Amino acid sequence: LAKTTQPISMDSYEGQEVNITCSHNNIATNDYITWYQQFPSQGPRFIIQGYKTKVTNEVASLFIPADRKSSTLSLPRVSLSDTAVYYCLVGPSSYNFNKFYFGSGTKLNVKP
Amino acid sequence: DAGVTQSPTHLIKTRGQQVTLRCSPKSGHDTVSWYQQALGQGPQFIFQYYEEEERQRGNFPDRFSGHQFPNYSSELNVNALLLGDSALYLCASSSHGTEIETQYFGPGTRLLVL
Repeated sequence: LAKTTQPISMDSYEGQEVNITCSHNNIATNDYITWYQQFPSQGPRFIIQGYKTKVTNEVASLFIPADRKSSTLSLPRVSLSDTAVYYCLVGPSSYNFNKFYFGSGTKLNVKP
Repeated sequence: DAGVTQSPTHLIKTRGQQVTLRCSPKSGHDTVSWYQQALGQGPQFIFQYYEEEERQRGNFPDRFSGHQFPNYSSELNVNALLLGDSALYLCASSSHGTEIETQYFGPGTRLLVL
């Protein structure tokens, strides 16, 4: 399974756009990239998932360059409630029984 | 549409005891995975159940065992509890065979071993 590397922490202010980059140099051809958000004492919450180029939903955007060795989660106009830990996961799509490996994540601290 | 539910929310045990945690998957899901999350760390994969059988296992000792029932709900059992077993235990469900297997997590059970 591809290992991921993320910054340990990031600070931002309300209203700013936040970009969190994840490195996954050993990503395999059939691997997808998934991001989760976790608040203290809660389970991780699915944010977004993609395979290549750009994916956008109502919460975030995910940018994946052509070589797919990294990905960037973009959170537009963050608020205090976006303070959380964000995890990047890389793994194969279904039809297999997958182990999902979480790294240490990026702790995002949004300030007023 | 009910999401993933777990019980109990909190639990206190003493060393050497046994504990059973329970999980009901999201409606329409047939696969359940269990994770252990120590304070300040990311979730660590314990094992995954599908069709009432353990399909994948992480690096956890045999003290950790599980079960999946015909209604897809699942139990996590931990025997001979150690202080280091204190953690948030997360259950996640997904639907096997879908093109992209997204896991949905429950709120977790906080276990404290004294």
